[in-house]
Amino acid sequence: KAGVTQTPRYLIKTRGQQVTLSCSPISGHRSVSWYQQTPGQGLQFLFEYFSETQRNKGNFPGRFSGRQFSNSRSEMNVSTLELGDSALYLCASSADYNEQFFGPGTRLTVL
Amino acid sequence: GNSVTQMEGPVTLSEEAFLTINCTYTATGYPSLFWYVQYPGEGLQLLLKATKADDKGSNKGFEATYRKETTSFHLEKGSVQVSDSAVYFCALSSYGGSQGNLIFGKGTKLSVKP
Repeated sequence: KAGVTQTPRYLIKTRGQQVTLSCSPISGHRSVSWYQQTPGQGLQFLFEYFSETQRNKGNFPGRFSGRQFSNSRSEMNVSTLELGDSALYLCASSADYNEQFFGPGTRLTVL
Repeated sequence: GNSVTQMEGPVTLSEEAFLTINCTYTATGYPSLFWYVQYPGEGLQLLLKATKADDKGSNKGFEATYRKETTSFHLEKGSVQVSDSAVYFCALSSYGGSQGNLIFGKGTKLSVKP
């Protein structure tokens, strides 16, 4: 069974631009969650989608948004990029109660 | 709000040494508790979990016991190997784990020397 895949793996953008990251969950998983990982703040929950609906949301500004498609693939978008948005963005998918499977992440660098 | 506090590293041990990484939590209700491991350049892998008080999670020689009275979930391994070198994260979920919003500790970097 293929794992969670994220594309692209690396991305370089400049301040003010916007970016879209993609996540393909494990086949059959309907929940997709996104996390931001930085050296200073650690791992922080962004949002979770289940059956195309946002089910939970973390404490991030509205510049961070996401969506989920009918095939459970998910995208997250960050508009008006800031230097502080440089991070590893991790996606996780889940089917069972109590376990999330993480992808390798997308490393975003904002210059 | 809910939070996780774990000992910050780095922790450096010799091969075959005993490992303990402390983790305590603050949460309302009855959270589920997890240990995740992150190897260099990779995402997170679930190492073990416990869903109720006194449960012991175990995997690959690692174990942790959910202690509600001390709000702790310390990770232990009797004999570490070089291949255990990684960053370890303690986490909790108040919604059963599958519903996003895992809350993580800051992570503990473990280096094991031969």
